[in-house]
Amino acid sequence: DGGITQSPKYLFRKEGQNVTLSCEQNLNHDAMYWYRQDPGQGLRLIYYSQIVNDFQKGDIAEGYSVSREKKESFPLTVTSAQKNPTAFYLCASSPFRGGRSSYEQYFGPGTRLTVT
Amino acid sequence: GENVEQHPSTLSVQEGDSAVIKCTYSDSASNYFPWYKQELGKRPQLIIDIRSNVGEKKDQRIAVTLNKTAKHFSLHITETQPEDSAVYFCAARPLTYYGGSQGNLIFGKGTKLSVKP
Repeated sequence: DGGITQSPKYLFRKEGQNVTLSCEQNLNHDAMYWYRQDPGQGLRLIYYSQIVNDFQKGDIAEGYSVSREKKESFPLTVTSAQKNPTAFYLCASSPFRGGRSSYEQYFGPGTRLTVT
Repeated sequence: GENVEQHPSTLSVQEGDSAVIKCTYSDSASNYFPWYKQELGKRPQLIIDIRSNVGEKKDQRIAVTLNKTAKHFSLHITETQPEDSAVYFCAARPLTYYGGSQGNLIFGKGTKLSVKP
C-alpha cells in the first residue's frame, strides 16, 4: 500500500473555501475511489472511477467533485456546498476491471480536513 | 441495495482469548467479503478476504467464515495480542448494479477491538 499517496496529511480551511485533496498511485490500478470516514460511521463512498476520463457518484457525492485525467491521479475537490466537510478522507485503488480481476482495494494514508 | 450490518461496535477481550466479529449483508448476489484493520490515525489494511464460493479461510491466527444461506460472515481472531487492538471493518461487494455503485465495496460501521494485557 505504499504505492498510494495522499497529500497533505492535515488540511485546514475556512468555511466557504473550496479545497482539493490529492491522491496518486503508481500501482497501475484502473479503479480509484474516494471515501469519507466519520467516527462511528465506517467508510462512505464519495466518488469512484474505473477508467480514465470517467467517474461515477457514490453514496454521498453532494458537495464534492473529482477528475480523472490520468490513470495515476484522482483528485477530490471539497466545495463550499458540502455542509459538513470536516472529516478524514481516504483514497483507494483497485486493479478491478470488468469483474475478473482482483477486487482488493488498497488505501492511501488519508487526509484529515478541518473546516472552521 | 446492499446493506452491511456489523456487530458488536466495541469488543474488549483479555490477551490470549478469542475475538469474534460478525457481519450480515442484504444482497444475496454479493460475491466478495474483505476484512480491514485500521489502527488509530492510519489507513485501513486488508487482513483477510473470502469469496462467495468458499465457506472458510484461515491465515495464522485469523479466519473468516461465510454462510451464504444466512447471508452473514464472521472474523475470528484467536490468541489475541495487544497489537490486535484496532478498528475492524467488514465489507461486501455486490454484483448487481445498484444506484451507480456497481462492483464497489459496502462497508460496515466498524468494531473497535481492545485487547487487555
